[in-house]
Amino acid sequence: DVKVTQSSRYLVKRTGEKVFLECVQDMDHENMFWYRQDPGLGLRLIYFSYDVKMKEKGDIPEGYSVSREKKERFSLILESASTNQTSMYLCASSHITGKQPQHFGDGTRLSIL
Amino acid sequence: AQTVTQSQPEMSVQEAETVTLSCTYDTSESNYYLFWYKQPPSRQMILVIRQEAYKQQNATENRFSVNFQKAAKSFSLKISDSQLGDTAMYFCALNDMRFGAGTRLTVKP
Repeated sequence: DVKVTQSSRYLVKRTGEKVFLECVQDMDHENMFWYRQDPGLGLRLIYFSYDVKMKEKGDIPEGYSVSREKKERFSLILESASTNQTSMYLCASSHITGKQPQHFGDGTRLSIL
Repeated sequence: AQTVTQSQPEMSVQEAETVTLSCTYDTSESNYYLFWYKQPPSRQMILVIRQEAYKQQNATENRFSVNFQKAAKSFSLKISDSQLGDTAMYFCALNDMRFGAGTRLTVKP
């Protein structure tokens, strides 16, 4: 069965910390995505990766970076966490042609204090 | 710019009845895909149904079907025989990784 696993379901960090959110997929998918989900705003794309070491900025990349050293793993990094980055973060992957997520992880609810 | 708009933040329906969720979009592409996703409370987002723009026939998946009006740029989701398990956030999306704001659907017993 298809699986996208996010390392933490809930995470609490402090302002200024460097935060790592990890995502692993077991389907050999080329495409991986990081979204943040906020009430009333839907899902907003932070970064997209279409292959190892390849990435594209989404709509809201400021304050974030990503790493994809292996095909199955896509990491989201908050360089210096701020309170406005408190949100639900969703990782997704796909093999379908085009840039569209197909399988999602459970999400990480991140609180920055 | 490509946009996806869901104008109904919340909806409710009685169990066993039919409900339609609205979505409009804007794109300059001639061929594209549209999607509906479902996110149950505290559970994973799942892909419910997808429609290819060049296909005139509306997509159907069991109790879920779409009404795709290409000229009007409208893509609504119809849920027939609503079940309690259909209670969820529903998101419309265009195949450029953009999502609408979502509609919270509650199915009442």
